[in-house]
Amino acid sequence: SQQGEEDPQALSIQEGENATMNCSYKTSINNLQWYRQNSGRGLVHLILIRSNEREKHSGRLRVTLDTSKKSSSLLITASRAADTASYFCATDNQAGTALIFGKGTTLSVSS
Amino acid sequence: ETGVTQSPTHLIKTRGQQVTLRCSSQSGHNTVSWYQQALGQGPQFIFQYYREEENGRGNFPPRFSGLQFPNYSSELNVNALELDDSALYLCASSLTGAETQYFGPGTRLLVL
Repeated sequence: SQQGEEDPQALSIQEGENATMNCSYKTSINNLQWYRQNSGRGLVHLILIRSNEREKHSGRLRVTLDTSKKSSSLLITASRAADTASYFCATDNQAGTALIFGKGTTLSVSS
Repeated sequence: ETGVTQSPTHLIKTRGQQVTLRCSSQSGHNTVSWYQQALGQGPQFIFQYYREEENGRGNFPPRFSGLQFPNYSSELNVNALELDDSALYLCASSLTGAETQYFGPGTRLLVL
C-alpha cells in the first residue's frame, strides 16, 4: 500500500517559473524525503526533513512539513529544463526499515 | 552517480521462468533494500537485508526471495514469473534502514 499521495499528478511550467508539489501521508513519521527520477531510471535523493523540522532548504529546493496536517510541499524555484522528471515523496514505515512512496508528480519544464 | 550498480539493465523472460537480479551496494553501506516499480506507479518495498539477514519485508509473496553476501552485495530472485512481475526493479543501499537510501539505475524486467 502507498502511504504518500502527491498532488498534482502532472505539472507543466515554463523555464524560470516556480514549481510546487504537495504530498500527504497517513500515519506518523520519523522523517519525510523527496526523490527525483529521470525517465524511469534510478531515484536520486533530494532532501530529507525530520518530523521535528518545519522547513528545509537545499539550493533551489525548499521543503516544508506540517505534521498536524500530515502534509509536505516541495518548491523548486527558477525551474530549468533539466528539472523535468518525476518527483516522489517517501516516508518511513513504522519499523524504520522501508521507504513508502507515493505515485509521484511528473514535472515538465519547457524552454 | 550513487555508486550502486545493478545487473542486468534489461531482461526478458517468459511466464513461469525464474530470474535473478544483482546489486552492488555503495562502499561502506551494510543495508540493501529492493523495490518494485510498475509503470506509472511509485516504488513498492519488497524487502531489506542487513548484515546478510532479511530485516523487513513488504507485501510480496514468498516466490520473491533474496540474499545478501558478506561484501553486502545482494540478489533478488523471483520464481514462477507472472505477467504482473513486469516492472523496474530498484536496489538501494544505506547505512541504516529508512534514512537516506541511494538507488541504483534499476533492472527493467519484461515477462511475456
